[in-house]
Amino acid sequence: SQKIEQNSEALNIQEGKTATLTCNYTNYSPAYLQWYRQDPGRGPVFLLLIRENEKEKRKERLKVTFDTTLKQSLFHITASQPADSATYLCALGVDNYGQNFVFGPGTRLSVLP
Amino acid sequence: KAGVTQTPRYLIKTRGQQVTLSCSPISGHRSVSWYQQTPGQGLQFLFEYFSETQRNKGNFPGRFSGRQFSNSRSEMNVSTLELGDSALYLCASSLEGLGSTDTQYFGPGTRLTVL
Repeated sequence: SQKIEQNSEALNIQEGKTATLTCNYTNYSPAYLQWYRQDPGRGPVFLLLIRENEKEKRKERLKVTFDTTLKQSLFHITASQPADSATYLCALGVDNYGQNFVFGPGTRLSVLP
Repeated sequence: KAGVTQTPRYLIKTRGQQVTLSCSPISGHRSVSWYQQTPGQGLQFLFEYFSETQRNKGNFPGRFSGRQFSNSRSEMNVSTLELGDSALYLCASSLEGLGSTDTQYFGPGTRLTVL
């Protein structure tokens, strides 16, 4: 069956360290993958998109990798800050302008001062 | 530039009723997507509209429908409400929609409670 999983429901790290979040999927062939941040009581905020033919994308302190062989994306936040504490969601786009768009369950990140 | 707005913000309905939610995208955006978020199922894609046409659809029953107007505003309708339809309904807008590199901007959501 089709499944999308994120490494853990919650992740605690110390300020200044690199946070690494994992998104794994089964029985999907995504054309692209997106990462979002969601704060309590608010809608998600788009962070990065990476396409199936791209290995890595960077934006300021954020880095995303995409391995279609392992069926996995890694999301890194370097030099993490307490303000980075939020829930992070990955989402698969099954086709370009395709039939479905699937979110993972999210990982709640807490950056401790 | 004004953000994505959704109305109403909160809604209480009873089983069997129908409901219409509204989403006004950012000016110039042609794509509007709708999502349902619940604690148990997470964030689930409902459908995407682009230039008044439904372009993508998630795995929801036909009770969930939508439309988009020529000014890109979109409405979502749920008929014959069930208790399980209680959720936060989010819409998002972007210039070119899902699959493009455009940023999706989410609204604050409509909290629907079905009694």
